[in-house]
Amino acid sequence: ILNVEQSPQSLHVQEGDSTNFTCSFPSSNFYALHWYRWETAKSPEALFVMTLNGDEKKKGRISATLNTKEGYSYLYIKGSQPEDSATYLCASPRGTYKYIFGTGTRLKVLA
Amino acid sequence: ETGVTQTPRHLVMGMTNKKSLKCEQHLGHNAMYWYKQSAKKPLELMFVYSLEERVENNSVPSRFSPECPNSSHLFLHLHTLQPEDSALYLCASSFSGRPSGANVLTFGAGSRLTVL
Repeated sequence: ILNVEQSPQSLHVQEGDSTNFTCSFPSSNFYALHWYRWETAKSPEALFVMTLNGDEKKKGRISATLNTKEGYSYLYIKGSQPEDSATYLCASPRGTYKYIFGTGTRLKVLA
Repeated sequence: ETGVTQTPRHLVMGMTNKKSLKCEQHLGHNAMYWYKQSAKKPLELMFVYSLEERVENNSVPSRFSPECPNSSHLFLHLHTLQPEDSALYLCASSFSGRPSGANVLTFGAGSRLTVL
């Protein structure tokens, strides 16, 4: 069974704090690792697609790293803002159409 | 809007009803997906259509019946559902073909289904 695990499940931080979460995925037959951001009552939106070991991607205050050998990715948010409050999902594509998702990390940024 | 539109956003139905969920995309994608999201569980793939042909069917009960009349539209027909089928149903689309890793999914906002 191929599982994608995310931790922590939920997280409350104060505005201005920096934070990070973890996504663990099977390292065998690796294609890519996706991060999605999912605000309440909206659509999940793609943040990053990471494909190479050692990849580091950045979008504004959010960045992500990838270690394919050990099967983990970190998502970092620098100086969290209330608008960063969302559930952050990671997904591991396994085959042409099969994406294995984690249960997500629910972030709440308190003003 | 994300480019993937789902209707209705909320649906309440009895166990004997028949209803349908609709998904529409005009992104030029050639693969469309139905996912089920239950509380505290990962997104669960139900069906995938590529070029209007079903390519994945993840042991979903026959009370869920997908239909893909063209590459822009996807339906999920529902009949004689059970209360445990209450969940958020998400539609997604993507380009298809290998390598799959780069084919990011574009999601709709979901249809929240409650079965009484």
